[in-house]
Amino acid sequence: NAGVMQNPRHLVRRRGQEARLRCSPMKGHSHVYWYRQLPEEGLKFMVYLQKENIIDESGMPKERFSAEFPKEGPSILRIQQVVRGDSAAYFCASSPGGAGEQYFGPGTRLTVT
Amino acid sequence: GQQLNQSPQSMFIQEGEDVSMNCTSSSIFNTWLWYKQDPGEGPVLLIALYKAGELTSNGRLTAQFGITRKDSFLNISASIPSDVGIYFCAGVQGAQKLVFGQGTRLTINP
Repeated sequence: NAGVMQNPRHLVRRRGQEARLRCSPMKGHSHVYWYRQLPEEGLKFMVYLQKENIIDESGMPKERFSAEFPKEGPSILRIQQVVRGDSAAYFCASSPGGAGEQYFGPGTRLTVT
Repeated sequence: GQQLNQSPQSMFIQEGEDVSMNCTSSSIFNTWLWYKQDPGEGPVLLIALYKAGELTSNGRLTAQFGITRKDSFLNISASIPSDVGIYFCAGVQGAQKLVFGQGTRLTINP
């Protein structure tokens, strides 16, 4: 019974490159959430998606960031033209829907050099 | 953006002691969740609270959903070394968006 899976676990990008983070929700879960965590801080909501739909992207920066959850395959968080301030841990969570419980993956640690 | 006020920020205790931490907010939440995060890992769900006044236990952990819906506390009894980590409270807002506290870092001296 696999949990939420994220890859890669660590990602190093140079300024200006693109970063793609992947998330496969728990089996049977159709709701996916992305959060960002800076060192010594709590997680901050970015975006909430269901299959092929963005439900709430109020926490997503307007520029350079995008997310999708296609009908087939994992959810993708894409960061274009990365800057040093994008360095953080990015966590994906999933839920079966209708309840508040969200289950988190191990995260992707993005380092921008 | 809105955040929950979690206290204390850090705790240093002896093994076997009880631990208490809490979370407050200026806004009402309909669901409170408590998570534990180990270094380099994602948060692990410990307890979920859905009703005001609800008291829920999970082994040595007990959490309560405040009557006003603006606060929650987590207690850990008889702490052991594996309880070390960062504990986060989270409130569910709107369309299932989680708002997190700043975390309580628990350190245990054996």
